[in-house]
Amino acid sequence: QKEVEQNSGPLSVPEGAIASLNCTYSDRGSQSFFWYRQYSGKSPELIMFIYSNGDKEDGRFTAQLNKASQYVSLLIRDSQPSDSATYLCAVIIAAGNKLTFGGGTRVLVKP
Amino acid sequence: GAVVSQHPSRVICKSGTSVKIECRSLDFQATTMFWYRQFPKQSLMLMATSNEGSKATYEQGVEKDKFLINHASLTLSTLTVTSAHPEDSSFYICSARPGQGLFEQYFGPGTRLTVT
Repeated sequence: QKEVEQNSGPLSVPEGAIASLNCTYSDRGSQSFFWYRQYSGKSPELIMFIYSNGDKEDGRFTAQLNKASQYVSLLIRDSQPSDSATYLCAVIIAAGNKLTFGGGTRVLVKP
Repeated sequence: GAVVSQHPSRVICKSGTSVKIECRSLDFQATTMFWYRQFPKQSLMLMATSNEGSKATYEQGVEKDKFLINHASLTLSTLTVTSAHPEDSSFYICSARPGQGLFEQYFGPGTRLTVT
């Protein structure tokens, strides 16, 4: 079992709709969770981080964390074509210092 | 805020030469910096972790004598690819973490290295 798992996609979403991305992790002691967006040929950009159970909203993005079920999700509201990218879930596993990445979910927002 | 820069953005060098890549945190002090590389359509691969003033910790399989990392200050880390070969051609990306209880990690724009 991979430490951090994501559906590779592509997740096709109509413009204006909500994109819902999921990520599960295996280490129950993990404390820090991140979502990065990576455009093709570019480096990752941090868009959300969440440390506590529940929801965290920032603009059109909402991160949801459920430590009991070991998943973290990202909602993108009012999806725009410019949101088309690969979204990477990353976790700092317990007792670790480095990010462990999922394989990424490719999102395609169609006009 | 939280801007990380890298220089150069693109470099072409001849086989056998060395290349130095700089990574700077522009508006925060980075207690920890990380170096990754990424091949086309593949995931990020962590190469090493460095803390200011300490020797870098390299991931398994990464040759520390080939990839020299120096983290001389809280805002600057350098990666030197020594005796580069065509198989070292890749996208090298650094990232920086403010530390002091903050775990967010910010990535630089990356350096595309081509070895001919």
